[in-house]
Amino acid sequence: DVVMTQTPVSLPVSLGGQASISCRSSQSLVHSNGNTYLHWYLQKPGQSPQLLIYRVSNRFSGVPDRFSGSGSGTDFTLKISRVEPEDLGDYYCLQSTHFPYTFGAGTKLELK
Amino acid sequence: QVQLQQSGTELVKPASSVKISCKASGYTFTSNYMHWIRQQPGNGLEWIGWIYPGNGNTKYNQKFDGKATLTADKSSSTAYMQLSSLTSEDSAVYFCARPGGYSPFDYWGQGVMVTVSS
Repeated sequence: DVVMTQTPVSLPVSLGGQASISCRSSQSLVHSNGNTYLHWYLQKPGQSPQLLIYRVSNRFSGVPDRFSGSGSGTDFTLKISRVEPEDLGDYYCLQSTHFPYTFGAGTKLELK
Repeated sequence: QVQLQQSGTELVKPASSVKISCKASGYTFTSNYMHWIRQQPGNGLEWIGWIYPGNGNTKYNQKFDGKATLTADKSSSTAYMQLSSLTSEDSAVYFCARPGGYSPFDYWGQGVMVTVSS
């Protein structure tokens, strides 16, 4: 299985500040069709996860441009600028290039 | 709009089975995969498998082979997951989710908490 190593586990931030989350895969996430199926989700307390970024760098509908994704191959980053209260929660990366699909262990974004 | 409405909380005994449901609305049920995901208490997310309701095809994470069985009822637009030989390790929240052209899990159900306890 592809192991997704997500860091840090916990990320204290100040409102208005910036956050960066890393996700590294144990093998390349470039599919044979040339696409890279790396996605980011946010799970707010008591809620289901919600899609933020799909295929590395594309913001899902309604996701503010404070969120940005980047990376390639095995190394990916989610950045959040000007952190707002509604951004707090658990962030997960997901790879769907290889079966079984696998998630990172999560990063808890919390107030400093 | 797309909605995935899951069944309610389950309290079940060890060694028993449980069947949870995910009723879909707002889209063509038979033309989209339905995925199931597990979240153990305080833990992250694990993909269990998918079913394609149009033809009943399934694909499982090998870890859940023999544990989870995915089915779908086209007449009621409802997907089901049966979990068998339950142990405390199966205590978790189980989500259904479907793709929408972006990622495998664009839309999520609200989750079902299954607690295995004697």
